[in-house]
Amino acid sequence: DVKVTQSSRYLVKRTGEKVFLECVQDMDHENMFWYRQDPGLGLRLIYFSYDVKMKEKGDIPEGYSVSREKKERFSLILESASTNQTSMYLCASSPPGGTQPQHFGDGTRLSIL
Amino acid sequence: GQQLNQSPQSMFIQEGEDVSMNCTSSSIFNTWLWYKQEPGEGPVLLIALYKAGELTSNGRLTAQFGITRKDSFLNISASIPSDVGIYFCAGRGMEYGNKLVFGAGTILRVKS
Repeated sequence: DVKVTQSSRYLVKRTGEKVFLECVQDMDHENMFWYRQDPGLGLRLIYFSYDVKMKEKGDIPEGYSVSREKKERFSLILESASTNQTSMYLCASSPPGGTQPQHFGDGTRLSIL
Repeated sequence: GQQLNQSPQSMFIQEGEDVSMNCTSSSIFNTWLWYKQEPGEGPVLLIALYKAGELTSNGRLTAQFGITRKDSFLNISASIPSDVGIYFCAGRGMEYGNKLVFGAGTILRVKS
């Protein structure tokens, strides 16, 4: 089974802090994704990556950046956290190509105070 | 804004009842996926659909890829308490490249 591991289940940070969310997958997948989940809005794509050192903006990239230095690891960075970034963050991975389903981690619930 | 319209938003049903939910879009999709998310966990894939008209089952769950390629349906038969959770549809189409677009989710609650 595919295992996507997010480093923290719950995280509390302060406004203005730089926040790192880490995600690791163990299936050698090329594709990795970061979403945020908010009630009534479903999952919205922040950033994604098709290969090491490659990244593309999703639908809501403002206020975020990412890093993919190794194939198995995809990090989401909040450069200067704000209260409107309080949310559930979900990481996903999938094999290459456009047809395979994405597999999700258990999420990180981030609160910005 | 939301690219997929998922309905209903929530359902509160009696154990043993059948459940139906659907997703519609103004765009054509070539893949439809249905996920379930339980409290405190990430979404888990239930069913994947790749051809218009395709009907696929997974236990008590049945999903269909609409023939217009603009909609999909998920049915759950004889619901049980562990069916509770949020069900998401997701689609992939040329208009959105390799990205999945998600519905807002259907919250399912089951009375036993």
